[in-house]
Amino acid sequence: GQQLNQSPQSMFIQEGEDVSMNCTSSSIFNTWLWYKQDPGEGPVLLIALYKAGELTSNGRLTAQFGITRKDSFLNISASIPSDVGIYFCAGLSGANSKLTFGKGITLSVRP
Amino acid sequence: GAGVSQSPSNKVTEKGKDVELRCDPISGHTALYWYRQSLGQGLEFLIYFQGNSAPDKSGLPSDRFSAERTGGSVSTLTIQRTQQEDSAVYLCASSLAASPYEQYFGPGTRLTVT
Repeated sequence: GQQLNQSPQSMFIQEGEDVSMNCTSSSIFNTWLWYKQDPGEGPVLLIALYKAGELTSNGRLTAQFGITRKDSFLNISASIPSDVGIYFCAGLSGANSKLTFGKGITLSVRP
Repeated sequence: GAGVSQSPSNKVTEKGKDVELRCDPISGHTALYWYRQSLGQGLEFLIYFQGNSAPDKSGLPSDRFSAERTGGSVSTLTIQRTQQEDSAVYLCASSLAASPYEQYFGPGTRLTVT
């Protein structure tokens, strides 16, 4: 089946630093999404990307839809402590509405 | 407005018992999804309801799992004869039919099978 690969499993950065996360797949997706999950909560949609090559920003977050439609990246600039959480990429393909999720990257921010 | 709610927030059950997990989607959202999240894993799709259409059950891991959605709103996920490997967080999400990618998630139910 379709799989999305996110690595590493954990990232540790210093407050104020930028961080970039990748998500790759062997399959093509038509929509790429980035979610953040805080402890004890469900994932929250951060950014949605609909076209290959699209670059979209949401505050300090920037995400890009790879031109091959098989990858995406999320960049967080000037990290702050509340950026801590698990970041998931997800993809939507074809006519169905089932999202395929990566395993997530746990981000820790040292003050 | 109110988001997606799930109950209970935590459930501990003995192996072999049946459990029911409830999801109240956002009012007006016709699509409803159930996912399972195991420790350190991504979200695993279980089942999808869209309006009055037959549900997509392709993600249910075994026939011990079933779900229904009454009146196009509230949904119940039932796990029969629970096993220890069923222990996970069960997440529900809902969306407008026109925006299936904008799924709004509930806080989840943490199920522990002892």
